[in-house]
Amino acid sequence: KAGVTQTPRYLIKTRGQQVTLSCSPISGHRSVSWYQQTPGQGLQFLFEYFSETQRNKGNFPGRFSGRQFSNSRSEMNVSTLELGDSALYLCASTYDRGGTEAFFGQGTRLTVV
Amino acid sequence: GENVEQHPSTLSVQEGDSAVIKCTYSDSASNYFPWYKQELGKGPQLIIDIRSNVGEKKDQRIAVTLNKTAKHFSLHITETQPEDSAVYFCAPLANYGQNFVFGPGTRLSVLP
Repeated sequence: KAGVTQTPRYLIKTRGQQVTLSCSPISGHRSVSWYQQTPGQGLQFLFEYFSETQRNKGNFPGRFSGRQFSNSRSEMNVSTLELGDSALYLCASTYDRGGTEAFFGQGTRLTVV
Repeated sequence: GENVEQHPSTLSVQEGDSAVIKCTYSDSASNYFPWYKQELGKGPQLIIDIRSNVGEKKDQRIAVTLNKTAKHFSLHITETQPEDSAVYFCAPLANYGQNFVFGPGTRLSVLP
C-alpha cells in the first residue's frame, strides 16, 4: 500500500513569488491536513480538507490556501512569499475526519530567498 | 485551545538504557494520545497510541502510559538502540473533527 506522497521534495523560491505544493493521500483516505514545521514554531496546523471542503483552518494569513480534488489529492498554495515562509510543509492523511491514525508524507522543504 | 508541553526537550541515554518522555496537555476532552517519531529528513511516523479508556499499551520495546486525571501521558522506550535517535512528538486529540496539536518535541540521542 503506497504511503502519502508529497511533491516536490524541495523548492527554492524568491520573495514575492507564489508556490503550489501537492499531496496524494493513502488510497481510500479522504481527509488531508497540512502542517508547517519550523525550528522556532514546531509543527503548526494549517488546514484540513475532507470531501473537497475545508473543514478546519489554523491561524495563518490568507496568503495560505488549499484545495482538495475529487480523488482526495490536495494542493496548498502560498502567494506573495515571505522569508518567514521557509519551512518544511507536511501533509497528513487519515481515513476519516478526526480520524485518529494520521500518516505523514516526507514533506516539501520550501526555501524562500 | 489545547496547550501541550513535553519534558525533557532533549534526552541523551546510553545504548541499552531506558528513556521516558512526558507529555502534559490542557484539554480534558482529549481522548486520543499518539506519539510520533521524526527522523532527519522524514515526516513524523506514528509509533504508538492509546485511547482514554486504556491506562497502558505496550508494543515490544515501546510503551505508552496515560494518566487522564493528571492530564499527562508518557512514552517509554526500553533497551534503547542507536536507531531510536530521533525527535519524538506527542499530539493529544480532543474531539472528532479537531486537528492535532503537537508538542514541541523531544530530541532523543542514544549513544553507542
